[in-house]
Amino acid sequence: EVHLVESGGDLVQPGGSLRLSCAASGFTVGNNYMRWVRQAQGKGLEWVSLIYSGGSTKYADSVRGRFTISRDSSKNTLYLQMNSLRPEDSAVYYCSTDETFGFWGQGTLVTVSS
Amino acid sequence: EIVLTQSPDFQSVTPKEKVTITCRASQSIGSKLHWYQQKPDQSPKLLIKDASQPFSGVPSRFSGSGSGTDFTLSINSLEAEDAATYYCHQSSSLPLTFGGGTKVEIK
Repeated sequence: EVHLVESGGDLVQPGGSLRLSCAASGFTVGNNYMRWVRQAQGKGLEWVSLIYSGGSTKYADSVRGRFTISRDSSKNTLYLQMNSLRPEDSAVYYCSTDETFGFWGQGTLVTVSS
Repeated sequence: EIVLTQSPDFQSVTPKEKVTITCRASQSIGSKLHWYQQKPDQSPKLLIKDASQPFSGVPSRFSGSGSGTDFTLSINSLEAEDAATYYCHQSSSLPLTFGGGTKVEIK
């Protein structure tokens, strides 16, 4: 059975940093396309970033230059390093696979506020 | 950026009724359109991939159709457990985008 478990969400001040983690079991992060999707309270889904199986990365315009997606195959974990956080980055952040596998984690809450 | 426009935004339906949700893309996306169901305080769950392919374990009352720019999610014989918000999502090109969602309420 596949599980994706996000962690690292917290309350942080504007301009601060956080690193989110997505630990996988029953599924190999390093061999597969993985992505981060966020959802602000009461709002819809917004794609944030993805990493292809080959390692290349892509970002939404709203986070490019501030967020970095990465993975550690030895830990079977996906990461999202978030710097220069803004109030509009406040959301539940989900890690997920693409639709080939259709797996999503339960999400981790990031709140950016002074 | 490909914009996905869902309609309606909200639908109140009695059990056993049929529900139809549409998703229109601002440009052709072939069949790279997927449908998700999200219940309150839960993560999204994949229902239909590639416009019409049911995802593993999804009840047969859920079906999808369409290609190019116009897509439809149908729920035949709605059940109480189908109360949720439904999102379409395109993976044809970056940035990946989602529709605004359709909330389905059970009368």
